[in-house]
Amino acid sequence: GQQVMQIPQYQHVQEGEDFTTYCNSSTTLSNIQWYKQRPGGHPVFLIQLVKSGEVKKQKRLTFQFGEAKKNSSLHITATQTTDVGTYFCAGGSGAGSYQLTFGKGTKLSVIP
Amino acid sequence: DVKVTQSSRYLVKRTGEKVFLECVQDMDHENMFWYRQDPGLGLRLIYFSYDVKMKEKGDIPEGYSVSREKKERFSLILESASTNQTSMYLCASSRARRDTEAFFGQGTRLTVV
Repeated sequence: GQQVMQIPQYQHVQEGEDFTTYCNSSTTLSNIQWYKQRPGGHPVFLIQLVKSGEVKKQKRLTFQFGEAKKNSSLHITATQTTDVGTYFCAGGSGAGSYQLTFGKGTKLSVIP
Repeated sequence: DVKVTQSSRYLVKRTGEKVFLECVQDMDHENMFWYRQDPGLGLRLIYFSYDVKMKEKGDIPEGYSVSREKKERFSLILESASTNQTSMYLCASSRARRDTEAFFGQGTRLTVV
């Protein structure tokens, strides 16, 4: 079945440093979604990418979808303590299924 | 404001008990999902439903069953709870399109002793 690999598993950064998490799928995706889960909270939708090579920005967050639609990345510029949490990517197969396959997540810690 | 509500935040059950986890959404969503979340393993899909009385197995359905008698409610059933089912359980819902976001409930932390 479809597998979505996400790296790194953990990342500790000094406040103000940049952060990137990467997502790779074993199959071509119809779309990729990103979620953020704050400590003690539940996953909350951040964004969806659908087109090959798509780049979207939300303030300090930049999301990219690879040309082959098999990989994606989330980059945070100048991290803040409010960025702390676990970031998940989730890939849709598009093969008539509503199922999303989640990566294992990257847990971000920001040292003030 | 969209809402997915899970019946319990924390639950402690004994081995062998039948356990019901309830989830209700108020967004008239067609799709509903049950995931379990374990450290280092991310979110793994147990079951999902795309319509009333319809269900499909996810990646880890063994030891679980589900029920969806009404559109807004999706129940996860542990027929005979075991200690390896101790986990965080998350319910989610989404509209009946592939390119649509999932809304999650607050989660149920289940401990089986």
